[in-house]
Order: sequence, then C-alpha cells, then structure tokens
Amino acid sequence: AQKVTQAQTEISVVEKEDVTLDCVYETRDTTYYLFWYKQPPSGELVFLIRRNSFDEQNEISGRYSWNFQKSTSSFNFTITASQVVDSAVYFCALSDPSGYSTLTFGKGTMLLVSP
Amino acid sequence: AAGVIQSPRHLIKEKRETATLKCYPIPRHDTVYWYQQGPGQDPQFLISFYEKMQSDKGSIPDRFSAQQFSDYHSELNMSSLELGDSALYFCASSLGEAGGRGEQFFGPGTRLTVL
Repeated sequence: AQKVTQAQTEISVVEKEDVTLDCVYETRDTTYYLFWYKQPPSGELVFLIRRNSFDEQNEISGRYSWNFQKSTSSFNFTITASQVVDSAVYFCALSDPSGYSTLTFGKGTMLLVSP
Repeated sequence: AAGVIQSPRHLIKEKRETATLKCYPIPRHDTVYWYQQGPGQDPQFLISFYEKMQSDKGSIPDRFSAQQFSDYHSELNMSSLELGDSALYFCASSLGEAGGRGEQFFGPGTRLTVL
C-alpha cells in the first residue's frame, strides 16, 4: 500500500523567511510519481510539480525548489523568501503508473506567512 | 486552454436529500476521477471511469453512485445525504492511462454543505 506522510501540520513564518515542507512516502513500486499541490483558501488544487522515481535531479522554479532523495524516500519542498501569497495548504502526493492509478495524498501542511 | 468544469460550484442540501454533481472533462480526455475532501482533510479517492466503464473504486459510500456518459462527462449521485457528506468534491480528468503518470487535471471543485 502507498502512504504519504507530511509530519508538519502547520508552519508559521514571517515574510522573506525560507521554509521547507517535508514529505516522506512509502511504496513497493519501483516506478512511481511524486507531486506537490497548493490549495489556497479559495479551495482549488494548484499543481506545482511532478517528479518520476527515475529522476532524482533536484528542481528549481523561481522561489520554489524540490529535493528528491530516493534513499530516504523523501520529496521536500522549499520556498525561498516566502511571501504572504504563499499562505496555503500544501499537499504532497504519490501515484503509481499502473493502469488508471489514483493519487494518494498526504494530510497536508498549512503554511501561514505573516507580513 | 479548456479546463475541467464542475457544476454546481456550491450546493446546499438538507439531510436525507439527494444531490447530483457534474463534471465535464478537458476535451478528448476519456478518464474521470472523483475525490472527496472533508474539512481539514486531504482529498480521498472515490471512483474513476475510463471510456464509460468504472476503472477503479475507492472509499465511495454505497449511498453514492457515479457514471460516465458517452460524451465523457460524469455525474456523481449522492442519496440520503448525511452531515458528514459536507465536503469539497473534486473531479479530475486525464487521457487514458496518462492519469497513472499523474497527468490528472483537477477541476475547481464543488462545495457541498449538508444542513
């Protein structure tokens, strides 16, 4: 069975601080996909990144960066110089590519960025 | 680009009533997924369809049913509504097995409130 753990329930930072959201996953599959989604107060799920299990390169997109470490089954997400607009719930998710596989989400981390 | 359309966006029902949620996938997408997100919870997979056939089933209550029509839109029917059914219901669509590679595109969600 697949499982995603986001140990941080809530994080509060002050604007311009860097913040890292942790994600640890469990799967027996050798091929799988990892994701991060952002859910602002308005409720929609905003796709941020997808990473497949064979690509362990870290990725940077503007103020966002992701650290995929297969050895520790972690896929952490860092926001550099956080802004108030980053305040949201962030979900890490996992899927396996067999057939019409669904996404397994972590419980989410609520990030509150104060001015 | 066209996105996934869900209607209605908000719905208020009384206990024991029925509700029907609709999902219109991205054009040419043939796979639809339904997720339920309770307050403060992560999205939980309910059911999915590929080419009008059920492709996978998650934690969908027996009081709920769903189907996918010939134009690929899907409807989630919920009967004997309970207070605990109050949630945000997401529909996602994908092209065939691409959903298993995480290429699921989420709609904005329908917020159901049961009074």
